[in-house]
Amino acid sequence: DQQVKQNSPSLSVQEGRISILNCDYTNSMFDYFLWYKKYPAEGPTFLISISSIKDKNEDGRFTVFLNKSAKHLSLHIVPSQPGDSAVYFCAASVTQGGSEKLVFGKGTKLTVNP
Amino acid sequence: DAGITQSPRHKVTETGTPVTLRCHQTENHRYMYWYRQDPGHGLRLIHYSYGVKDTDKGEVSDGYSVSRSKTEDFLLTLESATSSQTSVYFCAIGRVRGSSYEQYFGPGTRLTVT
Repeated sequence: DQQVKQNSPSLSVQEGRISILNCDYTNSMFDYFLWYKKYPAEGPTFLISISSIKDKNEDGRFTVFLNKSAKHLSLHIVPSQPGDSAVYFCAASVTQGGSEKLVFGKGTKLTVNP
Repeated sequence: DAGITQSPRHKVTETGTPVTLRCHQTENHRYMYWYRQDPGHGLRLIHYSYGVKDTDKGEVSDGYSVSRSKTEDFLLTLESATSSQTSVYFCAIGRVRGSSYEQYFGPGTRLTVT
């Protein structure tokens, strides 16, 4: 049972346009939602997170929107740059045993074309 | 970057041999995690630690053990490596930052079991 789903394996956008990456989840007990970018042969890079009590968080070119009623979140990248080309993972955290544990989606490969 | 290093970065080992991977952090974080990443699966939690000598299992803990005798070091041991444990292993630290939660990852260890 996949609790965090990224239904689009890939996305291609033009440089300067908006990239929208989507993520759906099933567990209403998730406390936080996080987005990561990953280049080949490197560890995931933390981008931005949002608490379950908020509906938007913004950091520079990155904005995350949370729609709790739809159990859906999205990451907007504006403007997209070729260096943004990477695999993006959505993750959700749940408190268990005194610790936050992350559940990851399978990722979406973003390609930004010059 | 949260001062996380992993060693070794690459290892090839034979089936049935024990293997220990090391995660080292320099910022005194309480929470540490071990994940594996495999094609088609995203990242999956193996074990985590919420303090010295305090550890617990994640979703894919079979065949793995961990130890944390010092705050800065979290060791992952494959008691008897199998080919199904060929993977990329990532260590992470977690922290609450204001109203947000963040996890930061190390650079990874690529393990091949022949």
